[in-house]
Amino acid sequence: EVQLVQSGAEVKKPGESLKISCKGSGYSFTSYWIGWVRQMPGKGLEWMGIIYPGDSDTRYSPSFQGQVTISADKSISTAYLQWSSLKASDTAMYYCAVTPYWGQGTLVTVSS
Amino acid sequence: NFMLTQPHSVSESPGKTVTISCTRSSGSIASNYVQWYQQRPGSSPTTVIYEDNQRPSGVPDRFSGSIDSSSNSASLTISGLKTEDEADYYCQSYDSSNWVFGGGTKLTVL
Repeated sequence: EVQLVQSGAEVKKPGESLKISCKGSGYSFTSYWIGWVRQMPGKGLEWMGIIYPGDSDTRYSPSFQGQVTISADKSISTAYLQWSSLKASDTAMYYCAVTPYWGQGTLVTVSS
Repeated sequence: NFMLTQPHSVSESPGKTVTISCTRSSGSIASNYVQWYQQRPGSSPTTVIYEDNQRPSGVPDRFSGSIDSSSNSASLTISGLKTEDEADYYCQSYDSSNWVFGGGTKLTVL
């Protein structure tokens, strides 16, 4: 059974750093692109970027280029999404996805 | 770059059939696969259609997907509507390796 299991909810202050994770199992982790998707409260789905864990080839949406970093550690079948300096506007639910599978989401709350 | 445009909302009665459209603004709808995602309130998205018309295991055959080159759009059709189908539905396709999402359609089953 394919599963994407994401790390738990986070509450952070503006300016703090954060790295959330997405662990894949039940499929060949290195052979499929993994995408990250943001959903702000009450809003639609926004594509942030994708990574191919086999060679770490990474593509970013222009809207998120320079704002986040996507990475993967194929030795532990885990993809990451990280921020170096969070803003209140980063408050959202974040999903990883490997078509047609989705993770359960990680809620990130940034508040002073 | 292109956009995917969906109706903001649709409503239909239980047992009926509803179709949600997803229109591509430029380039051919047939040139890249289209996926459809269902998101119930408070839940993560799930895939109901991938690669234009394929259903993941566990998705009932009441859900079907198609593309129409004449209108440059994709469609999600749900037949025999149930109250549990009430959700937001998003289409998604590709622009090179980039993902493009439609704005979402709220389906009300009343």
